[in-house]
Amino acid sequence: DAMVIQNPRYQVTQFGKPVTLSCSQTLNHNVMYWYQQKSSQAPKLLFHYYDKDFNNEADTPDNFQSRRPNTSFCFLDIRSPGLGDAAMYLCATSISGLAGVNEQFFGPGTRLTVL
Amino acid sequence: GQNIDQPTEMTATEGAIVQINCTYQTSGFNGLFWYQQHAGEAPTFLSYNVLDGLEEKGRFSSFLSRSKGYSYLLLKELQMKDSASYLCAVKDSNYQLIWGAGTKLIIKP
Repeated sequence: DAMVIQNPRYQVTQFGKPVTLSCSQTLNHNVMYWYQQKSSQAPKLLFHYYDKDFNNEADTPDNFQSRRPNTSFCFLDIRSPGLGDAAMYLCATSISGLAGVNEQFFGPGTRLTVL
Repeated sequence: GQNIDQPTEMTATEGAIVQINCTYQTSGFNGLFWYQQHAGEAPTFLSYNVLDGLEEKGRFSSFLSRSKGYSYLLLKELQMKDSASYLCAVKDSNYQLIWGAGTKLIIKP
């Protein structure tokens, strides 16, 4: 089945210790997104790739970086995690095209705990 | 600023009908989405409205009024598995999704 996969599902890191979250997709979608979601809050878009074009949200902290080496894979790097970065990180994909449904397909998420 | 408003929490009884409302104020409008999110899981797509009116899909229906900046999700014949959060999201003039915080729906037997 075509899907969006995220690894690991649960990640524990120490304050200030870099961490990388990964996302892969078999949907062959050219748009990939990273969201941060805290409990009972709306998903917050961190950045997205339209093919290889990187789009950073204005309020995404510099502490968050991303890489997309190819169509299938995307990584989220948190350089120095703080306690406030503990959250669920969701990867999503969609097909290109601005108008129309083009709904986003989400991976299962990685829950990050910062000690 | 852009804003999506939904009730924080609703409770309903198994077998009943529930309507979850969403109001929005966005810079432009290019469609409204409803997603379902079970606790600790990823959101899954439920429905999309871009024109005014009702879209029906099985037990779930979604309504849109663009002039009022208003949508609702109607769930019929509620089942225990429908206990989840329901997120409303609007695609704005830049084709970016603006998300609501979600409505947590609790189903009681």
